[in-house]
Amino acid sequence: AQRVTQPEKLLSVFKGAPVELKCNYSYSGSPELFWYVQYSRQRLQLLLRHISRESIKGFTADLNKGETSFHLKKPFAQEEDSAMYYCASSSNTGKLIFGQGTTLQVKP
Amino acid sequence: DVKVTQSSRYLVKRTGEKVFLECVQDMDHENMFWYRQDPGLGLRLIYFSYDVKMKEKGDIPEGYSVSREKKERFSLILESASTNQTSMYLCASSFPLPGLAASSYNEQFFGPGTRLTVL
Repeated sequence: AQRVTQPEKLLSVFKGAPVELKCNYSYSGSPELFWYVQYSRQRLQLLLRHISRESIKGFTADLNKGETSFHLKKPFAQEEDSAMYYCASSSNTGKLIFGQGTTLQVKP
Repeated sequence: DVKVTQSSRYLVKRTGEKVFLECVQDMDHENMFWYRQDPGLGLRLIYFSYDVKMKEKGDIPEGYSVSREKKERFSLILESASTNQTSMYLCASSFPLPGLAASSYNEQFFGPGTRLTVL
């Protein structure tokens, strides 16, 4: 079965430090990969997706097909980045497959 | 601006009650989804629908059913609520793309969630 794995439940960094949220997927085809974010008391929303190759709020993510990874990175974390982050992958069944989520805590 | 609304933010029910969770979207999306969100488990798909009166089981459909009588509305029904159904329920919608697999390539727009507690 297709799977998306986010190995860290919680990632805690200081403001200004680099951030990397890890995501690995298991899909032998050519999936579309997404990062969704949920800020406190807000709805889940799309942060970025592989196909658009955009940098959103300073975040980037590179698809590494060899390592089947789509890690989310930001060079300098801000306190407002504190949120729950979900990695997700498209699938051949039409379902979006979500990872377990990583809580990012940026300390002042 | 896509709007997905859910009928309640918080709901408290008793074991054995029949529970209805309603979701409405105003962007004419064909695809609609129900997920439950639990700490450490991420989002798990309960049911989804690609069109009116269509439904497909997700990963955890047991104990749930759905209804899609109108394009904009997708209801989740707990036939007999149990304590292990205490959770956050999220509704989402998206535009389709041709082909089943391609449907998962589009962005999903989420509602604010319903926090259900079953006592």
